[in-house]
Amino acid sequence: DAKTTQPTSMDCAEGRAANLPCNHSTISGNEYVYWYRQIHSQGPQYIIHGLKNNETNEMASLIITEDRKSSTLILPHATLRDTAVYYCIVRLNTGKLIFGQGTTLQVKP
Amino acid sequence: DTAVSQTPKYLVTQMGNDKSIKCEQNLGHDTMYWYKQDSKKFLKIMFSYNNKELIINETVPNRFSPKSPDKAHLNLHINSLELGDSAVYFCASSHRGSGSTGELFFGEGSRLTVL
Repeated sequence: DAKTTQPTSMDCAEGRAANLPCNHSTISGNEYVYWYRQIHSQGPQYIIHGLKNNETNEMASLIITEDRKSSTLILPHATLRDTAVYYCIVRLNTGKLIFGQGTTLQVKP
Repeated sequence: DTAVSQTPKYLVTQMGNDKSIKCEQNLGHDTMYWYKQDSKKFLKIMFSYNNKELIINETVPNRFSPKSPDKAHLNLHINSLELGDSAVYFCASSHRGSGSTGELFFGEGSRLTVL
């Protein structure tokens, strides 16, 4: 079973920041938080991951709370091409990624 | 160049048939995976191989048999296909060594339809 819970769907206006929340209250101390997205009919695509510190790359920023029980993925300037299902995943110590149902993000003009 | 490639992309077949899906990665990764995405869009891991050795084997019917001839290939063979096997099957690869980010690279998927 997935160790994360996410809202089923969200809308965002094009050009605005998209903030996608994720709860992972049972995360263990050495388990990482990963974010992937899946654009319709394509394979999942890695976005970002983190352990304790906030992370930023060319795609997004990841904000992890101090107690590590939740995180937020931020797409700073959402475009129509960012419409996808976004998966928040806790990577188990075995290396296994267990996908939940994800958040369907709809970016609207 | 495609990093993780799967063939075929589409496969339509009758119940009871045996079929295979092939996967190859040119990333030099040592670990490969098969995931299944059903009609409800849930992605579930099926198998994982590290350097040709099986390391993850989820509760999957033994009609499914993965084969890894080398660490760049992981094929999935399915015997006696059933209607419930209809799904999109994704191959993925990663590097498990020290310093690895653990990022998975996915193929584009193989859509299997069993009639």
